[in-house]
Amino acid sequence: DTGVSQDPRHKITKRGQNVTFRCDPISEHNRLYWYRQTLGQGPEFLTYFQNEAQLEKSRLLSDRFSAERPKGSFSTLEIQRTEQGDSAMYLCAGQRELVLDTQYFGPGTRLTVL
Amino acid sequence: SQQGEEDPQALSIQEGENATMNCSYKTSINNLQWYRQNSGRGLVHLILIRSNEREKHSGRLRVTLDTSKKSSSLLITASRAADTASYFCATDKTGANSKLTFGKGITLSVRP
Repeated sequence: DTGVSQDPRHKITKRGQNVTFRCDPISEHNRLYWYRQTLGQGPEFLTYFQNEAQLEKSRLLSDRFSAERPKGSFSTLEIQRTEQGDSAMYLCAGQRELVLDTQYFGPGTRLTVL
Repeated sequence: SQQGEEDPQALSIQEGENATMNCSYKTSINNLQWYRQNSGRGLVHLILIRSNEREKHSGRLRVTLDTSKKSSSLLITASRAADTASYFCATDKTGANSKLTFGKGITLSVRP
């Protein structure tokens, strides 16, 4: 158990609906990363936070995606007007800034867009 | 874009045998990490090797890194059925703010 939790674990939605996912890292994780993983592929970087500041966003993160980490603790990832291509596993990972190495992943949120 | 390429894509062995998985990458790195993922689950960190290290051990795991060839290998000794999973190498590229770049993964099946 990495101590990183994600909610919900599964989400089924209809195309065009908005969804929001939550990630709770452990308190020592200054950095928080979001990744997306489609079937048969490795995870791909979406965005990351250092404390509450969002420092980098991937080109994969279209305008329909927004992420926040308001108090530097938990983070949310929202997808507006979902499309079938958004179906994937969304993973978050925490990392301690002082030791820039291991990222500890949560169990992921599996999104299915019908 | 994915930097790492794991080889082979799939590996099937008998319990008790050793499993060797390889990873190649393209750009300079700070470190390389190996993760395991059981079907439909999150990623479990196995081992990290820094760019100035050549070999590292953790229990039944042995990782090597050859920065001149931009390649790494993961050896699992005395495999068990519970080792059945997908294995990913991930690189922390130099100057990339520690975001990880993953390969497509290797599917390991250990037959009891």
